[in-house]
Amino acid sequence: DAGVIQSPRHEVTEMGQEVTLRCKPISGHNSLFWYRQTMMRGLELLIYFNNNVPIDDSGMPEDRFSAKMPNASFSTLKIQPSEPRDSAVYFCASRHGALPYEQYFGPGTRLTVT
Amino acid sequence: QKEVEQNSGPLSVPEGAIASLNCTYSDRVSQSFFWYRQYSGKSPELIMSIYSNGDKEDGRFTAQLNKASQYVSLLIRDSQPSDSATYLCAVTLTGGTSYGKLTFGQGTILTVHP
Repeated sequence: DAGVIQSPRHEVTEMGQEVTLRCKPISGHNSLFWYRQTMMRGLELLIYFNNNVPIDDSGMPEDRFSAKMPNASFSTLKIQPSEPRDSAVYFCASRHGALPYEQYFGPGTRLTVT
Repeated sequence: QKEVEQNSGPLSVPEGAIASLNCTYSDRVSQSFFWYRQYSGKSPELIMSIYSNGDKEDGRFTAQLNKASQYVSLLIRDSQPSDSATYLCAVTLTGGTSYGKLTFGQGTILTVHP
């Protein structure tokens, strides 16, 4: 079975540019999560969706960040405009809706903003 | 007080020994508990989940949960150098917008030396 798929795996961009990260969850999973990981702050939840609906976006740093899930098999996380402090590894994870709510992570996108 | 706390380590054990990783959490109504392993430059990999008090064994790994003490641990028997990684404890919180979210500890770095 395919796991969570993320693209691109690496992204280098200049400050002020728009960045779009993509995620395909595991088939049959109805919840999707976007995380950011840095050495300083560890693993932080940015936003999560249940059945394609955003449930909690309290972790989204500011209005420059937005996320969408137009259907059950695709989600995007967009940063516009990007800033150097956005440099991090961004993970997408998915799970099905039953106990014990095991989440499975994608390989991540390493974002560098210069 | 942090919601999920782990000893940051690093924890160093000799090959063949038992490694013991500990985690405490603050939310008494937390439902499920997870241990993830993360190699440097890789995504978190789920290795154990537990939601009932007591022990759960899977190969060389044993997870122990004590809800009264709000404590969860991971034992790794016959530790191997390939077990050297960061181990993340995660807890699902319940209630309101936190339902189903995972909250992670900061991780414990484990080194198994030959």
